[in-house]
Amino acid sequence: DTAVSQTPKYLVTQMGNDKSIKCEQNLGHDTMYWYKQDSKKFLKIMFSYNNKELIINETVPNRFSPKSPDKAHLNLHINSLELGDSAVYFCASSPVGYSSYEQYFGPGTRLTVT
Amino acid sequence: SQQGEEDPQALSIQEGENATMNCSYKTSINNLQWYRQNSGRGLVHLILIRSNEREKHSGRLRVTLDTSKKSSSLLITASRAADTASYFCATDGGGTSYGKLTFGQGTILTVHP
Repeated sequence: DTAVSQTPKYLVTQMGNDKSIKCEQNLGHDTMYWYKQDSKKFLKIMFSYNNKELIINETVPNRFSPKSPDKAHLNLHINSLELGDSAVYFCASSPVGYSSYEQYFGPGTRLTVT
Repeated sequence: SQQGEEDPQALSIQEGENATMNCSYKTSINNLQWYRQNSGRGLVHLILIRSNEREKHSGRLRVTLDTSKKSSSLLITASRAADTASYFCATDGGGTSYGKLTFGQGTILTVHP
């Protein structure tokens, strides 16, 4: 029943490791997003895919690589994790990739890099 | 710099009182949205107001938009303890933004029972 789901909810790992976060939406939306929320609650967009095509790619280290196997899934792979990557990562979706639609957010994945 | 900035950063009120949060932004917009985030949860969309609208209501929420001042306000009337959350405004930067929203740092609202 969950509209936008993410796994895992918590992720604790060491510096230098590689990890992935998975996101799935069952709303039939065409567009999916990844956001990063830092410790001060500042939320910043990282990537957006529209029907499996990358349409927004913000200034994000290339250690971060999104992958969209189909329009219902958008995964985030992070290589060589650094302390500064610690944050809460949110996946979101919207009907189409235009601003005039509300975005539906997942519950977030809290990543802690030690 | 951030597109949307909320004011105040924190607001503490008693149940039944009204809560007003303000948002300022820097560039043109197509629309402005308000979201709520409960502690440890994802964001939930509250209301969207288009650039050609001046006021919008949804239940106990009232949003105003002044594009000449590049500002918006969110009013929650007759607040409840369950309204305790962080509230964010988000703007789209105008033009064809492909859904790119820029969020402010939010207002933390605490409603005491």
